[in-house]
Amino acid sequence: DIVLTQSPATLSVTPGESVSLSCRASQGISTSIHWYQQKSNESPRLLIKYASQSISGIPSRFSGSGSGTDFTLSINRVESEDFSVYYCQQSYSLPLTFGSGTKLEIK
Amino acid sequence: EVQLVESGGGLVQPGRSMKLSCAASGFTFSNYGMAWVRQAPTKGLEWVATISYDGSSTYYRDSVKGRFTISRDNAKSTLYLQMNSLRSEDTATYYCTRGGYTLNGWGQGVMVTVSS
Repeated sequence: DIVLTQSPATLSVTPGESVSLSCRASQGISTSIHWYQQKSNESPRLLIKYASQSISGIPSRFSGSGSGTDFTLSINRVESEDFSVYYCQQSYSLPLTFGSGTKLEIK
Repeated sequence: EVQLVESGGGLVQPGRSMKLSCAASGFTFSNYGMAWVRQAPTKGLEWVATISYDGSSTYYRDSVKGRFTISRDNAKSTLYLQMNSLRSEDTATYYCTRGGYTLNGWGQGVMVTVSS
């Protein structure tokens, strides 16, 4: 199984700051990585697909990059509604696997 | 607007069965692969099973293989998950998702608690 390691586990930031969240795969997965946001007591939602492709309805401050084993989700100027948990997920091979998540919290 | 509404969860004893349903609307159901993803209390996300758009192909994580069956009725725009021989470690919120590999659309989730 492909293991996805997300770092940091928790990131404390002030609204208005820009941040980068990391996801590292245990083997090369091309660009088969997707990013999700899960707010407290809500269902996840897709933010970015295939490493860097935008999703309709998602604010443009969210962007993704990377290929192979190292991937990054960037949030430009964090807003109050962005404080939640972020997961990466690979679709390169079955079983589909998720990272353990990065919690973005208010400093 | 994509809508996915799960039902059928609840409390069940270990070893018993339960069937989840997911009613889809707002998109052409028969054009999409679908999946079930679960989340144990306070834990992360875990993929359970995927089915192709026409139901001809199904895939499962090892821990549920032989116990769970994913299926669909395209005429009713409904996805199912039949869960047999349930274990305590199956306790989780189960989400229905649009897309078998890239999960673009999630239901509100249904809680399944396996306990005596």
